[in-house]
Amino acid sequence: AQSVTQLGSHVSVSEGALVLLRCNYSSSVPPYLFWYVQYPNQGLQLLLKYTSAATLVKGINGFEAEFKKSETSFHLTKPSAHMSDAAEYFCAVSDHGNNRLAFGKGNQVVVIP
Amino acid sequence: GAGVSQSPSNKVTEKGKDVELRCDPISGHTALYWYRQSLGQGLEFLIYFQGNSAPDKSGLPSDRFSAERTGGSVSTLTIQRTQQEDSAVYLCASSLASGANTGELFFGEGSRLTVL
Repeated sequence: AQSVTQLGSHVSVSEGALVLLRCNYSSSVPPYLFWYVQYPNQGLQLLLKYTSAATLVKGINGFEAEFKKSETSFHLTKPSAHMSDAAEYFCAVSDHGNNRLAFGKGNQVVVIP
Repeated sequence: GAGVSQSPSNKVTEKGKDVELRCDPISGHTALYWYRQSLGQGLEFLIYFQGNSAPDKSGLPSDRFSAERTGGSVSTLTIQRTQQEDSAVYLCASSLASGANTGELFFGEGSRLTVL
């Protein structure tokens, strides 16, 4: 089964600094990859997705992610953190054979003023 | 409503009691998923419904867990004889038929279950 690994459950970043959240996947076939965001007291919402088109994917709120097959990675970045970016971020991979998404353990992002 | 609706939003129960959690998906979405979110554990897949097909129950952790989806719409997740380890947020998501491939899953706000 496909899976994703997110390291570092809590990530602290200063306001205005780069946000970098790492995601590595394991897959025997070309995957579809996703980042979801969960703001406090809200449901998860799709931030961006990679479905075998452009390897650099842009999402909402200034986030982007790059698919690197050689590194089996799909890291999420944002050049300048904003206080409103404080949330939990989940990387996910599509398990084509079973019609489900497999999620990582998530990164809780704290933005320091 | 426009989004996925879950109820109750919070449920506190005593060990050994049965609980039912409800999910009302977005109208027209044929796929429905239940996930469990435990502290530090990410999202754990529980069960998947697609139209009138037999559900994929492979993620249910024990036979105390069951789910049904009536009329292809509302779903109920039932946990019998609850245990403290069942305490978690139970998330429901719905999507169009190809949701798992496109990532377009729409999540509810979840039902937080606390077993004392």
